[in-house]
Amino acid sequence: NAGVMQNPRHLVRRRGQEARLRCSPVKGHSHVYWYRQLPEEGLKFMVYLQKENIIDESGMPKERFSAEFPKEGPSILRIQQVVRGDSAAYFCASSPPKRPGGAFFGQGTRLTVV
Amino acid sequence: AQSVTQPDIHITVSEGASLELRCNYSYGATPYLFWYVQSPGQGLQLLLKYFSGDTLVQGIKGFEAEFKRSQSSFNLRKPSVHWSDAAEYFCAVGLSNFGNEKLTFGTGTRLTIIP
Repeated sequence: NAGVMQNPRHLVRRRGQEARLRCSPVKGHSHVYWYRQLPEEGLKFMVYLQKENIIDESGMPKERFSAEFPKEGPSILRIQQVVRGDSAAYFCASSPPKRPGGAFFGQGTRLTVV
Repeated sequence: AQSVTQPDIHITVSEGASLELRCNYSYGATPYLFWYVQSPGQGLQLLLKYFSGDTLVQGIKGFEAEFKRSQSSFNLRKPSVHWSDAAEYFCAVGLSNFGNEKLTFGTGTRLTIIP
């Protein structure tokens, strides 16, 4: 399964640094979703993107978080000036256009802020 | 807004016994319903999904789920569990329109299998 690829798998950042999480969707999938999983919790939707467009960012924190999905290259979730509360697993999912089939998830990036 | 409730945080089952994991949802329109499984340190794997039609849905690894509109439930079942089924199970509801498959997840049920 040449599925959703996320890197890095593990990321350690000091408080105040920037974290960049990358997601390459399944080939042919033009829809990308980012979710956050806090310890002992379920996944929470953050943002939904299509190529070069943010479609739904209702789950994104208002500050320090941004996401993009450029025409070429992976989707990027950026967290500026990280704080300890940002420590979580961040999952990317992708789906094809116009066919609801259940999104495919990557293995996640586990961010630890020290 | 849609919501999903998984009332059981942790379930322990003997290997070979039957399993039922509960899921209740709240959603105003026809829901898309999903069950995902997450092994420790791994991503989520789709077990099965319900969009419409037959309310009993078959999935991978011998799992099935039944959609009951009157009870707003989508419980996951397996007749005989294997040790490899130990994992975290998430129920999710999606929007019923094309284009945005944003999912709302329950908090998960952790399944432990004992010999």
